[in-house]
Amino acid sequence: QQPVQSPQAVILREGEDAVINCSSSKALYSVHWYRQKHGEAPVFLMILLKGGEQKGHEKISASFNEKKQQSSLYLTASQLSYSGTYFCGTELQGRDDKIIFGKGTRLHILP
Amino acid sequence: GAGVSQSPSNKVTEKGKDVELRCDPISGHTALYWYRQSLGQGLEFLIYFQGNSAPDKSGLPSDRFSAERTGGSVSTLTIQRTQQEDSAVYLCASSPRGLAMHEQFFGPGTRLTVL
Repeated sequence: QQPVQSPQAVILREGEDAVINCSSSKALYSVHWYRQKHGEAPVFLMILLKGGEQKGHEKISASFNEKKQQSSLYLTASQLSYSGTYFCGTELQGRDDKIIFGKGTRLHILP
Repeated sequence: GAGVSQSPSNKVTEKGKDVELRCDPISGHTALYWYRQSLGQGLEFLIYFQGNSAPDKSGLPSDRFSAERTGGSVSTLTIQRTQQEDSAVYLCASSPRGLAMHEQFFGPGTRLTVL
């Protein structure tokens, strides 16, 4: 039931792009993305509901393919502040209001 | 406004003792979630409250774990007869409504170390 994230870790230079993937073996209603910096609490990035919509905020956007039960987070022209661990969380089609998070993808941006 | 607060921030205890972890959600938030985060691991769901009731307790690891919420506000997570594998950061989050489509606001966590 836990979504699978890939890659587990990424190292980029400032200005490069990254894609983080999240996949589930079960039908999904929504996908949630959070970022956690070392020693801090996770912070909300965005929620995607079924319908294949794509959302974005500045240079961070995401897509949700409900047929494939997959979501991808896109970070373009990465900044040093993007460093941290990115978690995807999934809510199953049954709408049980419970979010199950993946193990996270560690992103490190080098200057 | 005030965010989610948790206390204590750090707790060191001896194996076999009981511990209580407290969460104060954002005022007015009806949904409250507890997660556990072990070193290098993801966010493990423990329990979810909608108001004072817990529709889903499926994530509690064993019967040594229990949680309650009173007055639709403060929640306490209790771990009895602590074991070394209970060592982790325990995170609490609250949400305006009991719908997963809403953002969860996380507290700073309680780091529990069982010696």
